[in-house]
Amino acid sequence: DAMVIQNPRYQVTQFGKPVTLSCSQTLNHNVMYWYQQKSSQAPKLLFHYYDKDFNNEADTPDNFQSRRPNTSFCFLDIRSPGLGDAAMYLCATSREGLASTDTQYFGPGTRLTVL
Amino acid sequence: AQSVTQLDSQVPVFEEAPVELRCNYSSSVSVYLFWYVQYPNQGLQLLLKYLSGSTLVESINGFEAEFNKSQTSFHLRKPSVHISDTAEYFCAVSDASGTYKYIFGTGTRLKVLA
Repeated sequence: DAMVIQNPRYQVTQFGKPVTLSCSQTLNHNVMYWYQQKSSQAPKLLFHYYDKDFNNEADTPDNFQSRRPNTSFCFLDIRSPGLGDAAMYLCATSREGLASTDTQYFGPGTRLTVL
Repeated sequence: AQSVTQLDSQVPVFEEAPVELRCNYSSSVSVYLFWYVQYPNQGLQLLLKYLSGSTLVESINGFEAEFNKSQTSFHLRKPSVHISDTAEYFCAVSDASGTYKYIFGTGTRLKVLA
């Protein structure tokens, strides 16, 4: 089945130690998104790629970076995780352009713990 | 800018009882509206969406939602819930004028009791 896959499902890192979360998709969608979801809060968009074009949300901290080496893969890099970065990180894709009618397809998420 | 409010963080309901999960939004422009469901240990899945046309939209598993522009609401309802409906439900809006972004509510955890 076509899907959005996130690895690992659970990640533990130490304060200040760089960590990378990965997302892959078999849907061949143009757009990939990364959201941060803290406990009892709404998912918050960090950035997205439209094909190879990277778009950062204005309030996304510089500590968060992303890479998309090809259509299928997208990575979230947290350069120096702080305790406040502990959250569920959701990857999503959408098929075409950035139409507001597009359905977004989500992966299962990676739960990040920072010690 | 848009915002979404889901006032109920948790809704317990007995099996076969009806349920309504509330969603209100605020926007200065026209919006599209979505309900997503997140089952335990899974990603968010689209349940239903309102883009235009009939204000009542339905999903394949018996949920429905009605867009009420005057009340800026998009409440989700099901006349008879099952244990398998236990999940977290997120309401989201996007700006119909063309931006792609979803603004999510904080979610409502539906717990169906036997």
